[in-house]
Amino acid sequence: RKEVEQDPGPFNVPEGATVAFNCTYSNSASQSFFWYRQDCRKEPKLLMSVYSSGNEDGRFTAQLNRASQYISLLIRDSKLSDSATYLCVVNMDSNYQLIWGAGTKLIIKP
Amino acid sequence: NAGVTQTPKFRVLKTGQSMTLLCAQDMNHEYMYWYRQDPGMGLRLIHYSVGEGTTAKGEVPDGYNVSRLKKQNFLLGLESAAPSQTSVYFCASRDRQDGAFFGQGTRLTVV
Repeated sequence: RKEVEQDPGPFNVPEGATVAFNCTYSNSASQSFFWYRQDCRKEPKLLMSVYSSGNEDGRFTAQLNRASQYISLLIRDSKLSDSATYLCVVNMDSNYQLIWGAGTKLIIKP
Repeated sequence: NAGVTQTPKFRVLKTGQSMTLLCAQDMNHEYMYWYRQDPGMGLRLIHYSVGEGTTAKGEVPDGYNVSRLKKQNFLLGLESAAPSQTSVYFCASRDRQDGAFFGQGTRLTVV
């Protein structure tokens, strides 16, 4: 089993719709969680950190479920510019390495 | 605020040539990383550093060397380039418990 797993997609979603991704992690000692977006041939960019209480940034909401060991990302009122690959990242406090998911590809259609 | 800067942005090498990729960060981060990303694939960790003067091997270290003589700089060296090292190389830096910030990448082609 991979340490961090994501559905590769692609998710084809009409503009204006709501879309949600999940990411599961295998190590219960994981402490920090992040969502990144990566556009084609560009560097990954930090979208948001994921806190135990959940957090929201505009149209984006991230949640953490420690009991079931997954994090989620919800995008409301999706825009064409949201088309990208979304990467889930997990870190254990005692480990300097970041464990990356392979990403979920999102395509927003007009 | 420059963040993480990688040089060069593009390079074409002949098989057997050597080169050094430079990563510089101005955020005073302790941790720095070198990744490679092949087309349609995820990030793979080459080497990383947890502080000035320290380096460690990642998932795919063979054929690469690194140095972190100054806290703000992390150098990736290819001693004898091979076509299999054709890839996009990303440098990243972070502080403990924070997310990582990436440079814009170096697109390397080895012919």
